[in-house]
Amino acid sequence: GAGVSQTPSNKVTEKGKYVELRCDPISGHTALYWYRQSLGQGPEFLIYFQGTGAADDSGLPNDRFFAVRPEGSVSTLKIQRTERGDSAVYLCASSSTSREDTQYFGPGTRLTVL
Amino acid sequence: SQQGEEDPQALSIQEGENATMNCSYKTSINNLQWYRQNSGRGLVHLILIRSNEREKHSGRLRVTLDTSKKSSSLLITASRAADTASYFCATIQGNNRLAFGKGNQVVVIP
Repeated sequence: GAGVSQTPSNKVTEKGKYVELRCDPISGHTALYWYRQSLGQGPEFLIYFQGTGAADDSGLPNDRFFAVRPEGSVSTLKIQRTERGDSAVYLCASSSTSREDTQYFGPGTRLTVL
Repeated sequence: SQQGEEDPQALSIQEGENATMNCSYKTSINNLQWYRQNSGRGLVHLILIRSNEREKHSGRLRVTLDTSKKSSSLLITASRAADTASYFCATIQGNNRLAFGKGNQVVVIP
């Protein structure tokens, strides 16, 4: 079946703007994760959904970042008042359950804040 | 905080040679996973080794785990140009979130 998809693949925005990044997980996967990867670094955890609820949002860097998953499938990561430091690749992953199952990653969205 | 930490290497090898990279971690684990990333985009899961395993093979990949030293190694045998990528180890923290190291860049020269 189809893997995890993310849109857009690239997003260029200006400082102070609002952006939304979308993730379509593998069908039937109940767990969904967002990570952020800066240049030369490994991915860092942002938020984890189990179904519709955010089970762990401890990785969100500040209150400008918010994510939703209203129907337990597609998720949207929302960033308000973007800053240049938000520039990174935002990766989404899904797994069939939360119990140490393999996480399948999407291709990521490269966000550039000018 | 990052738990998996690879030795910060950039390996450049000839096609056909073996590539070895290492990873250390700090806390107790149930398993350790290795991922590959091409061109800084999506990660591909390669192999998972559980804490009660010492060695695991998958095709040309061989992973070892030493829980007493909190370290793991990934060996790619008979490398190919298509193996050129960044390789990350990751451990699972609370709520199943992955903690990645900084990664090893491997370049296989045809």
